Amino acid sequence: AQTVTQSQPEMSVQEAETVTLSCTYDTSESNYYLFWYKQPPSRQMILVIRQEAYKQQNATENRFSVNFQKAAKSFSLKISDSQLGDTAMYFCAFVPGAGSYQLTFGKGTKLSVIP
Amino acid sequence: NAGVTQTPKFRVLKTGQSMTLLCAQDMNHEYMYWYRQDPGMGLRLIHYSVGEGTTAKGEVPDGYNVSRLKKQNFLLGLESAAPSQTSVYFCASSSPIMDEQFFGPGTRLTVL
Repeated sequence: AQTVTQSQPEMSVQEAETVTLSCTYDTSESNYYLFWYKQPPSRQMILVIRQEAYKQQNATENRFSVNFQKAAKSFSLKISDSQLGDTAMYFCAFVPGAGSYQLTFGKGTKLSVIP
Repeated sequence: NAGVTQTPKFRVLKTGQSMTLLCAQDMNHEYMYWYRQDPGMGLRLIHYSVGEGTTAKGEVPDGYNVSRLKKQNFLLGLESAAPSQTSVYFCASSSPIMDEQFFGPGTRLTVL
């Protein structure tokens, strides 16, 4: 069974600064997908960024980037130039490949951006 | 294009009552899912469906039933609600050719 661990229940960052959220996972699969979802107070789950395990290049989406270390089974999210609208719960999630689309979520990290 | 919608958004039940949550998607997705989210936890998969007429159990299926009579709809039923089922319920859908799941806005259910 796959497990996803987010070791930081809460974090805070000053506006315009950079913050990194940690995620580790455990799997015996060789091909899989990793995601970071954002859940603002509105409760809507929003996909922030995805990474395919077979790709060595780290994914980037505007101010969001990941540090994917496959051997270490680590998948951290870096948010640059933090904005007040980044305040939310962030969930790391994993899905094995080969036709399985069952997401396994971590417990989340509550990020607060301080003005 | 509404994406994934859920009905109702809020509901309060008494222990032992039954109810059905409705999920609808207009993206022609094959796969649909029901999750629950509890404080301090991520989302946990209750049941899922890989196509019309098919359903399967997820991580926490006990106390719930589901049906997928139409491709665009996925129903979650509670036959006899218990306080342990107080939670926020999310529906999601995805396509077999893409790995991203699209989520509905959630339903907050309270069982007294």
